[in-house]
Amino acid sequence: GDSVTQMEGPVTLSEEAFLTINCTYTATGYPSLFWYVQYPGEGLQLLLKATKADDKGSNKGFEATYRKETTSFHLEKGSVQVSDSAVYFCALIHQGSDKIIFGKGTRLHILP
Amino acid sequence: EPEVTQTPSHQVTQMGQEVILRCVPISNHLYFYWYRQILGQKVEFLVSFYNNEISEKSEIFDDQFSVERPDGSNFTLKIRSTKLEDSAMYFCASSVSAASSTDTQYFGPGTRLTVL
Repeated sequence: GDSVTQMEGPVTLSEEAFLTINCTYTATGYPSLFWYVQYPGEGLQLLLKATKADDKGSNKGFEATYRKETTSFHLEKGSVQVSDSAVYFCALIHQGSDKIIFGKGTRLHILP
Repeated sequence: EPEVTQTPSHQVTQMGQEVILRCVPISNHLYFYWYRQILGQKVEFLVSFYNNEISEKSEIFDDQFSVERPDGSNFTLKIRSTKLEDSAMYFCASSVSAASSTDTQYFGPGTRLTVL
């Protein structure tokens, strides 16, 4: 079945460091891909999305590119801030389905 | 900004008891969802609901579970006879249109259910 695999956490970085959180997926067809973020005490928030191959989603300095050839959707940010500390979830959804399939989440700690 | 709310934030119950988890979706949304996350595991889809009917459900969503929109604002998940393995964080979500159209699902903060 369809699945999403993302790098294990926690990931600890210093402020202004470069961030990459790896995500790969297994799916038939052409799913839409997402990154969700969960800040402490809050719900899952959509961070960015891409709906077709080679699309780049971006928001709040974060970017991810839908790579069909490597079935990947890695999350990147050039300079992280303490306020980026959260849990990040990679996810996919198929056209015609209501079901979002999530990865396990990666906890990110940014040190001042 | 409108948001999905859930009550209670934490529910503790005895095995075999019924629990009802409550959600207030965003007011103009028409599609509603429940997900759960067992500690240390992935967030898993349970069910989607539209026009007073279940539109999709997972294999987890067995006869012990039910959903209801009892009035114009609430959306509830009922577990009839809780088991220890039902302990999890339960997330409600809503969207304006069907998620399959890639419309965004907006999530609530979750209810942590602990079954003793």
